[in-house]
Amino acid sequence: DTEVTQTPKHLVMGMTNKKSLKCEQHMGHRAMYWYKQKAKKPPELMFVYSYEKLSINESVPSRFSPECPNSSLLNLHLHALQPEDSALYLCASSLGGAAHGYTFGSGTRLTVV
Amino acid sequence: AQSVTQLGSHVSVSEGALVLLRCNYSSSVPPYLFWYVQYPNQGLQLLLKYTSAATLVKGINGFEAEFKKSETSFHLTKPSAHMSDASEYFCAVSVLGSGGSYIPTFGRGTSLIVHP
Repeated sequence: DTEVTQTPKHLVMGMTNKKSLKCEQHMGHRAMYWYKQKAKKPPELMFVYSYEKLSINESVPSRFSPECPNSSLLNLHLHALQPEDSALYLCASSLGGAAHGYTFGSGTRLTVV
Repeated sequence: AQSVTQLGSHVSVSEGALVLLRCNYSSSVPPYLFWYVQYPNQGLQLLLKYTSAATLVKGINGFEAEFKKSETSFHLTKPSAHMSDASEYFCAVSVLGSGGSYIPTFGRGTSLIVHP
């Protein structure tokens, strides 16, 4: 298995809803990442988990809450989002070294209404 | 701090013509560099990576890139463009983050347009 699987592919939620994005990999990768990407822009780093521990939080608002239940799974819990949070949310994983490269999922297209 | 700069937000070529997408890096240490392609509403797919083993790196779909230390460049090329190559391309460098993890840090992206 050489993939990062993200679910759902599309999500529409109201500003008062609570939802979760899921990311799964079975490549034995120990670093996992959440990125946010707006149209025609590069991905922006949100969170990094290393060995299931949160190692980087790029000053992301608390309405985004990451969780890493085990080494294969990464969640992003969403609550009280704003319309400007609408974007493509990408998950990635890596063995952790600088040279290994990063495997990306196909993303969740989130629309906040 | 390590970073990459992509020159040209759009590159337009005719089908069958040479593709050249430019990326320059800024680094005080040997960098680890990557090129990714992103098709519409998709994630990023790794095309190739430079890890100091060889300066000319061959990737998937006929793409290759040459690491030139004297020019601090890692330009992506393909001898003959196909219509299916039209997409967004990102150059990236591995940067050591504050938490001890390496993080891919991206250039702004270059949109490749292929004309029939």
